[in-house]
Amino acid sequence: GQQLNQSPQSMFIQEGEDVSMNCTSSSIFNTWLWYKQDPGEGPVLLIALYKAGELTSNGRLTAQFGITRKDSFLNISASIPSDVGIYFCAGWLGQGAQKLVFGQGTRLTINP
Amino acid sequence: NAGVMQNPRHLVRRRGQEARLRCSPMKGHSHVYWYRQLPEEGLKFMVYLQKENIIDESGMPKERFSAEFPKEGPSILRIQQVVRGDSAAYFCASSPRTGGSSREQFFGPGTRLTVL
Repeated sequence: GQQLNQSPQSMFIQEGEDVSMNCTSSSIFNTWLWYKQDPGEGPVLLIALYKAGELTSNGRLTAQFGITRKDSFLNISASIPSDVGIYFCAGWLGQGAQKLVFGQGTRLTINP
Repeated sequence: NAGVMQNPRHLVRRRGQEARLRCSPMKGHSHVYWYRQLPEEGLKFMVYLQKENIIDESGMPKERFSAEFPKEGPSILRIQQVVRGDSAAYFCASSPRTGGSSREQFFGPGTRLTVL
C-alpha cells in the first residue's frame, strides 16, 4: 500500500530549541495534514495544507506543502514542555482518494 | 460543540468474545472513518462510512470485522471472536459533508482493546 516515510523517528532536544520534521512519499498527495498525539489520546489536527508550495502557520508551528506534492515538513519554533508527544503527517492521495495515509510518527522529547 | 465521542475508552475481552466499539461523530459531520493503531506505529485505515453506507472497507480484515453507521445512532465497529492480535487502539474520525475542509478529519479519544 501507499507509504509515507516520516523522519526522524525520534528527537531529543532542549527546551527552547527549534524542531524540524518531514514526510516524503513516492506518490503524489493533494492534501497534507499534521497531527499531534499525546499518550492515551487521539490525534489532534495541527495544520492542514491544500496547495503545492503552501506555507501555513499555527502559532509556533509552520508547515509547508512541497512543490513536488510528494513531501511536507513541520517546524516548531522555541519548543516548550507541552510540545512533547508524537507528531504524525497524513496525506490524501489524488482525486477520488477515500482515506488518509499516515506516517510512522516522530516522537518528540524535550529536556528541561 | 462536542468533539468526536468514542466509548468505551477501554475494553477488555477474552479470546472468542465479541467487541463492540462506538463512535459518535462531531455535530454536522456525516463522514466517519475507523483506524487501528498498534503500539509505536502510525494509524492504519480500516473503513470509511457515510450514513447507512460503507464507502470504502479496503482496510478491514475479511473476516470477523464489520462496521455500520445507521441512520440514527453512533457508528459501530464490531469484532467477532476476538484474538490476541486484535489488541490495539481503535480510533474513529469524522469530517464535514462537503468543501475543502471535508478533508480535515477530527479524531476521537480512541478505544483501547485488550484481548486476554
